[in-house]
Amino acid sequence: ETGVTQSPTHLIKTRGQQVTLRCSSQSGHNTVSWYQQALGQGPQFIFQYYREEENGRGNFPPRFSGLQFPNYSSELNVNALELDDSALYLCASSPNPTSGGPYSTDTQYFGPGTRLTVL
Amino acid sequence: GQNIDQPTEMTATEGAIVQINCTYQTSGFNGLFWYQQHAGEAPTFLSYNVLDGLEEKGRFSSFLSRSKGYSYLLLKELQMKDSASYLCAVSLFSGGYNKLIFGAGTRLAVHP
Repeated sequence: ETGVTQSPTHLIKTRGQQVTLRCSSQSGHNTVSWYQQALGQGPQFIFQYYREEENGRGNFPPRFSGLQFPNYSSELNVNALELDDSALYLCASSPNPTSGGPYSTDTQYFGPGTRLTVL
Repeated sequence: GQNIDQPTEMTATEGAIVQINCTYQTSGFNGLFWYQQHAGEAPTFLSYNVLDGLEEKGRFSSFLSRSKGYSYLLLKELQMKDSASYLCAVSLFSGGYNKLIFGAGTRLAVHP
């Protein structure tokens, strides 16, 4: 148990719809990263939030957006859903912004994920 | 670009030892993680290496050679519950933050 929770567990949407996924970080962690994991693949980095600001982003279009709240919980929003958005969405929390430079990184602890199916 | 390679599948026998290799070519390196992921579940942290050498943690050990862009995860005294995917991930420091770049994972099947 990592203390990171996500909701909902499963979700089915149709193409063109919008979806909001939620994540509650482990106590004491102020950084959250979101990942998309397609079946049989490793997780792909979407973006990272620290103190309510996005401080890093992967190769995902702007229709993927996020929020982080003062209690460090966060949301991932996806607009105009496409079939290829079907995946497991994982959030991971870590204790600091992991921006201490070389030889300074913090372990990311993952939540159980939300399985999104787009029909 | 970033490239992380690991075997797609491996099989092993209960009680045996298995080594899962990972090679990487990345622009920047801030450490290498191994995670275990059972089907439909979250990745769970196994080990972190940032300096060359072997890190041992119970039945699991992880090795890193930065000059060769190579790591391995060694699992001893295999148990049926070790059947899972094992993800190799490189931490990259860029733009003032660290992010993880994952390989596709190695599916390990342990049989009696």
